[in-house]
Amino acid sequence: DQQVKQNSPSLSVQEGRISILNCDYTNSMFDYFLWYKKYPAEGPTFLISISSIKDKNEDGRFTVFLNKSAKHLSLHIVPSQPGDSAVYFCAATNTGGFKTIFGAGTRLFVKA
Amino acid sequence: DAGVIQSPRHEVTEMGQEVTLRCKPISGHNSLFWYRQTMMRGLELLIYFNNNVPIDDSGMPEDRFSAKMPNASFSTLKIQPSEPRDSAVYFCASSFAGGNQPQHFGDGTRLSIL
Repeated sequence: DQQVKQNSPSLSVQEGRISILNCDYTNSMFDYFLWYKKYPAEGPTFLISISSIKDKNEDGRFTVFLNKSAKHLSLHIVPSQPGDSAVYFCAATNTGGFKTIFGAGTRLFVKA
Repeated sequence: DAGVIQSPRHEVTEMGQEVTLRCKPISGHNSLFWYRQTMMRGLELLIYFNNNVPIDDSGMPEDRFSAKMPNASFSTLKIQPSEPRDSAVYFCASSFAGGNQPQHFGDGTRLSIL
């Protein structure tokens, strides 16, 4: 039972354009969401997060949007750069607990 | 600052052998997590510890898998006996306590069971 789903295994975008990565979750108890980026042969690194009391969080070129009613979040990268090419994991958790559930990841290719 | 350190980076062994993966968390972090990454299932949480105590091991696939955290600076994940389907990349991560604390990952151990 996948509680966090990233339905697009891969995404290809031209440099300078917007990248939109999507994530859906099923458990309404999740109240905190994170995105991680992973390069080959390295561990995932934290990118950006959002609390369920917000619907948007922005950090430079990265913005995360949360739609609680749809149980959907998305990560926008503008403008996309070749160095953004990586696997992006969506993760969901509950601030009162420790368990974080990860999606399967989306591989982003940014073409120069 | 040193990040999460995992060893070995690569392990190739024959089916039936015991495998031990090691992790040194970031100093001061009191939560530690073991994950397994496969193509089919992405990042699966195997077990996590808080203050060296196992909190949830429901993700451990079988009794062949065991994990320990004897002190705040060291944890092991052991597979005995190993099987080819255990081949995957295993990650250790640490964080401060609390579900909203980002986790810091090691670079993983790529395990191949022949």
